[in-house]
Amino acid sequence: EAGVTQSPTHLIKTRGQQATLRCSPISGHTSVYWYQQALGLGLQFLLWYDEGEERNRGNFPPRFSGRQFPNYSSELNVNALELEDSALYLCASSPAGRGKETQYFGPGTRLLVL
Amino acid sequence: AQSVTQPDIHITVSEGASLELRCNYSYGATPYLFWYVQSPGQGLQLLLKYFSGDTLVQGIKGFEAEFKRSQSSFNLRKPSVHWSDAAEYFCAVRKNTGFQKLVFGTGTRLLVSP
Repeated sequence: EAGVTQSPTHLIKTRGQQATLRCSPISGHTSVYWYQQALGLGLQFLLWYDEGEERNRGNFPPRFSGRQFPNYSSELNVNALELEDSALYLCASSPAGRGKETQYFGPGTRLLVL
Repeated sequence: AQSVTQPDIHITVSEGASLELRCNYSYGATPYLFWYVQSPGQGLQLLLKYFSGDTLVQGIKGFEAEFKRSQSSFNLRKPSVHWSDAAEYFCAVRKNTGFQKLVFGTGTRLLVSP
């Protein structure tokens, strides 16, 4: 069974640009979560999508947004990039129903903002 | 609000020696508890989890953890460490009802000496 996949693995942008990060959940999983792992700030919850809807977001500005597609894959968009957005962005997925309590993580996308 | 404390930022253990990584949490009820491991430049891999029942849980790679309600702790242990265990270890909690955000500790970096 394939795990959570994320693309690209690395992304370099300049300040003010937009970044798009992609995530494919484990087959059969309907929930997707995004986390940011920035140096010195630890792992912080960004967004949760379930059945195509945004269910909750963490304490991040609106320029962090995303969506979930009918096949349950997800996109994270970061607009008007700032230097402090440089981080590892991790996507996780969980199934509906039995097992929904556990999140399985992908390898991450490392975003560097210059 | 939930919080997780991992008091040890770094731990160095000799190969073959035993290991214990500490985790304390703050939450009004017994949350769901997890340990994840992150190798350099990688995503998070689930080691083990505790929801209820037997307070000693077994995980992958020979790890185990013990939930102690009276101490609000969920310490991770391994009887004999291998060089490949060198990584960063994260304890995480989430509510046992409602919204499913994971709250992570700051991590403990494990170094294994020959």
